[in-house]
Amino acid sequence: GQQVMQIPQYQHVQEGEDFTTYCNSSTTLSNIQWYKQRPGGHPVFLIQLVKSGEVKKQKRLTFQFGEAKKNSSLHITATQTTDVGTYFCAGPNAGNNRKLIWGLGTSLAVNP
Amino acid sequence: DGGITQSPKYLFRKEGQNVTLSCEQNLNHDAMYWYRQDPGQGLRLIYYSQIVNDFQKGDIAEGYSVSREKKESFPLTVTSAQKNPTAFYLCASSIWTSNEKLFFGSGTQLSVL
Repeated sequence: GQQVMQIPQYQHVQEGEDFTTYCNSSTTLSNIQWYKQRPGGHPVFLIQLVKSGEVKKQKRLTFQFGEAKKNSSLHITATQTTDVGTYFCAGPNAGNNRKLIWGLGTSLAVNP
Repeated sequence: DGGITQSPKYLFRKEGQNVTLSCEQNLNHDAMYWYRQDPGQGLRLIYYSQIVNDFQKGDIAEGYSVSREKKESFPLTVTSAQKNPTAFYLCASSIWTSNEKLFFGSGTQLSVL
C-alpha cells in the first residue's frame, strides 16, 4: 500500500547547528503537509506544498517539494531549543483524498 | 477563541469498560477525524466524518465507535473490544478534506487500569 517514509527517525544536534528531515512517498502526491509536535503536545500545521519543485521559507525553516512530487524536505538553519519536537510529513491517500498518509516523524533534540 | 476542545486530558479504563472521549470544535469545519498515536508509530486514523450523521472507518476502526449528531461534536467510544487501548488520542478537524490543513485538539491520554 501507499507509504510515506521519513528519515532520520531521531536527530540530536547542538544549538546553532543545522537540521534536515526527509520525507519520501511511494506514490506521487498532490500535496504534502508538514506538522510539528512539541513533547507532550499536539501536532501543529506548519505548511502545505502543492507545486512540483516548490520551495517555501518560514524564518529559519525551508521546505522543499521534489520535482516528481514524491519527496520533500524540511531544513532548519541554526537550530534553537524552541525547535525541539517531532516533525511529521503527511500526504493525501491516492485512493481517498479524505485520508492522510503520515510519516512516522523525525524527533529533534537540541542541546543548549 | 476558535479551536478544538478534547476532554478529558487523562482517562483510565477498567477491563470490560467502554469509555467515551469528547471532541468539540467551534471552527465551523465540516470534516472531523480521530487519530491514535502510539510511541514510534506516528498517527493512525480511526474514524473520520465529513458531514453530520455520516462517518467512515479509517485504518484501525476495530474496537471503536463514533457518532456525528452535530457538526461541532465528534465523540469517540473505546469499547471493551479494543484490547490494547492505551494510547494518545487526537481529534482533528479541517474545512472539508485532508487537502486542507488539520487543526488538532490537545489530546486525551487513555490508560488501562
